[in-house]
Formats: sequence, C-alpha cells, structure tokens
Amino acid sequence: NAGVTQTPKFQVLKTGQSMTLQCAQDMNHNSMYWYRQDPGMGLRLIYYSASEGTTDKGEVPNGYNVSRLNKREFSLRLESAAPSQTSVYFCASTVTGQSTQPQHFGDGTRLSIL
Amino acid sequence: GQQLNQSPQSMFIQEGEDVSMNCTSSSIFNTWLWYKQDPGEGPVLLIALYKAGELTSNGRLTAQFGITRKDSFLNISASIPSDVGIYFCEGNAGNMLTFGGGTRLMVKP
Repeated sequence: NAGVTQTPKFQVLKTGQSMTLQCAQDMNHNSMYWYRQDPGMGLRLIYYSASEGTTDKGEVPNGYNVSRLNKREFSLRLESAAPSQTSVYFCASTVTGQSTQPQHFGDGTRLSIL
Repeated sequence: GQQLNQSPQSMFIQEGEDVSMNCTSSSIFNTWLWYKQDPGEGPVLLIALYKAGELTSNGRLTAQFGITRKDSFLNISASIPSDVGIYFCEGNAGNMLTFGGGTRLMVKP
C-alpha cells in the first residue's frame, strides 16, 4: 500500500552539484507532478507529465529537468543546484490529468543547498 | 498564473473551538479540493467539491464550493489536538492546478 514513494527523504548539496530526485507510484496513475513547497507560498508546480512520454512546464520550471521514465516513475533533476532551490519537493500523481482528479502526494524530499 | 488567496495564514485556537478558513480567486475554477498536511508528510485529500454551491461534509469538516466558482471555505467543528497541521485549498481549471498558500492551524489543549 505504498502509493507515491519519494527518495531520498533528505539531502544536502553544495552549490553547483547535481542531483536527481526519484518518484514512483504504484497506483497505475497516468499523470504525475513535481512541486516545491516554500513557507507561505503553498505548493508551486515545477513540471508535470500528463501521461507516459509527455512532460510540460509548470509555474517554476527554471533550473530543473524531468524524465518520465515509464508509467510508474517521474524523476526531477537539478543540474547545477543553487541556494534558491532549497525547499521541500513533493511528487504527486492522479488517475488522469483532468481537473476533477485529486492528487496523491509522496512524503516529500527535504533539500538544502549550501 | 492563477492566484489563490488563502486566509488566514495561521490560527492558534483552543481545543473545542470551531475553525473557518477560505480561499478566494479572481479566476473561475471547476473543482475545489481541500488537503491537510501533517508535519513531515505530504498533503492528504480531505474533501473534493465538483459543483458550484456544493456543500460537503467529512466528519467534523465541512467545505463549500462558492456559487461564483471563485471561492471555497472549509470549516472544522469542535477542534481537537490532532487537527494541527497545514490546510491547503486547490483550485482546478482545465489543466491548471493552483494551490493556496496554506493555513497553519495550531490547537491548544
């Protein structure tokens, strides 16, 4: 009964380092999302994948890349980490990308960039 | 992008009190969703609203989809310590998913 699994849970990076955040869901959902959560700013969409093989930019895509590896997995990559990317990152999935579908979230990855 | 104004940003209440929070926007939404986030975890869906004017309850929680489709509120009755957390609204319109800034609820036993 895993739902959405994110790894790692915590990570500290130095400025300029690269890193990939992993996300996998076992609910056979078609759509997956990456958000960042900063104090007082809610959840801001970085990238999403409406279905396997497609990805689209969200509200704050700069400095990130994504890969929808297969239907289960959607990874987020920071090529050259910056302190402004210190945040909590959440992956989510929905059955489809339709607006009526609630999202299922992972427990987050807490990323600090020094 | 679309903006959702969620208020209040935080609340510190006594156990047993009722709580009310709301989200407003200048844009129209097709769906309103309310989530709760416990410390160290991801948000979990509380209530989903799909029609303007809809009023839905889930235990002590009640939420309404505003008639104008530009707002929604969430009420919690008779708060208990485990209600502590951050509550988020989400408005959906087509492919656009927008979250409010969250309401941090603290409950004093």
